[in-house]
Amino acid sequence: AQSVTQPDIHITVSEGASLELRCNYSYGATPYLFWYVQSPGQGLQLLLKYFSGDTLVQGIKGFEAEFKRSQSSFNLRKPSVHWSDAAEYFCAVDPSYSSASKIIFGSGTRLSIRP
Amino acid sequence: EPEVTQTPSHQVTQMGQEVILRCVPISNHLYFYWYRQILGQKVEFLVSFYNNEISEKSEIFDDQFSVERPDGSNFTLKIRSTKLEDSAMYFCASRAGTSGGTDTQYFGPGTRLTVL
Repeated sequence: AQSVTQPDIHITVSEGASLELRCNYSYGATPYLFWYVQSPGQGLQLLLKYFSGDTLVQGIKGFEAEFKRSQSSFNLRKPSVHWSDAAEYFCAVDPSYSSASKIIFGSGTRLSIRP
Repeated sequence: EPEVTQTPSHQVTQMGQEVILRCVPISNHLYFYWYRQILGQKVEFLVSFYNNEISEKSEIFDDQFSVERPDGSNFTLKIRSTKLEDSAMYFCASRAGTSGGTDTQYFGPGTRLTVL
């Protein structure tokens, strides 16, 4: 079945430590891939997106993600987290390659930062 | 930077009442969307709208739901007879639609709907 999986429901890291949030997708062809962040009580902000080309994508706020076709993964990374990074992170896909299409979200990973 | 706006930020209603959630998409965007997020769950697609008609809708978007673009700026979601399970955060989104699907979908801040 087509799906977006974020296996980690909740992750806690220390401020200044590195971060990796996992995302796997299951679609016949590689969909467009996204990471969104949702701070408490806020809307969804796009961190980065991958459509094609270079498999390492740079985003806002110091985040990057690497697309690995062989693993059907699109993991989000940050070398050094800040307390303000505490939020819910959603991996998402657009499987249909058209302007009218919808975004399918994963279940999210809640990131907590330890002082 | 242009942004999607939504009103109200929080709406409380009684079960069985009609509610209208309002959105102002980014100017010149052509594709509009509604998503919802039940507390503690993932964001789910409801409906997409283009050229004054629904492009796609999910199983959630039954006959109790309708969308409309009443003028050149607003995009509304109506729930005719609200149920307790309609309590959720509702997000509006818009996309320019000029890059064959590679343009960004921008989300509004959401409207929290509480059905009592």
